[in-house]
Amino acid sequence: QSALTQPASVSGSPGQSITISCTGTSSDVGGYNYVSWYQQYPGKAPKLMIYDVSNRPSGVSNRFSGSKSGNTASLTITGLQAEDEADYYCSSYTSSSTVVFGGGTKLTVL
Amino acid sequence: QVQLVVSGGGVVQPGRSLRLSCAASGFTFSTYGMHWVRQAPGKGLEWVAVIWFDGTNKYYADSVKGRFTISRDNSKNTLYLEMNSLRVEDTAVYYCGRAVQQSWGFDPWGQGTLVTVSS
Repeated sequence: QSALTQPASVSGSPGQSITISCTGTSSDVGGYNYVSWYQQYPGKAPKLMIYDVSNRPSGVSNRFSGSKSGNTASLTITGLQAEDEADYYCSSYTSSSTVVFGGGTKLTVL
Repeated sequence: QVQLVVSGGGVVQPGRSLRLSCAASGFTFSTYGMHWVRQAPGKGLEWVAVIWFDGTNKYYADSVKGRFTISRDNSKNTLYLEMNSLRVEDTAVYYCGRAVQQSWGFDPWGQGTLVTVSS
């Protein structure tokens, strides 16, 4: 199972919006609505930010939103804040009843 | 509050075995699927395995299939990962994660434990 494709890095200024893409295939992202997004700070465990493409867990800011079109899912962060600077990973359920992650995207807040 | 505490990491020689534990508290452990995910130093996340809430189904990443075994003891609220025939490339921080109900996300995650495979 190949990893999902994410940009290595994205950046934005405070207050701006950014979008991180996550591209897979019809056997994972495109075939199921089980895409999740995680935020990870250095040396810390990941935190779930979005599940089932667009659902936010309780306590996650509504500045974070998810969507999907075909084989590509996206995470959008609006009103960028300094605290959003972190690594972001997408994941998807696959047709083999496994999970595949993206390679990760480093978000820099300028 | 919901908590997952991972233990059992350490330094081990190639070819040897190690067992990780993930102790759960603050929720009804026996009603949730559980996952293991690892992260090699400086690298991204890699999914390792999942076990159904009742242990009836287990799935593994190709990279660990046949060498790693996921299991659970619902009477002890504990998840395990038995790792055999360890390789240098298994070196990573290992996290456990609770499955989101009827979904394939993980929330929350344990703090992770470092496994170093080196001679």
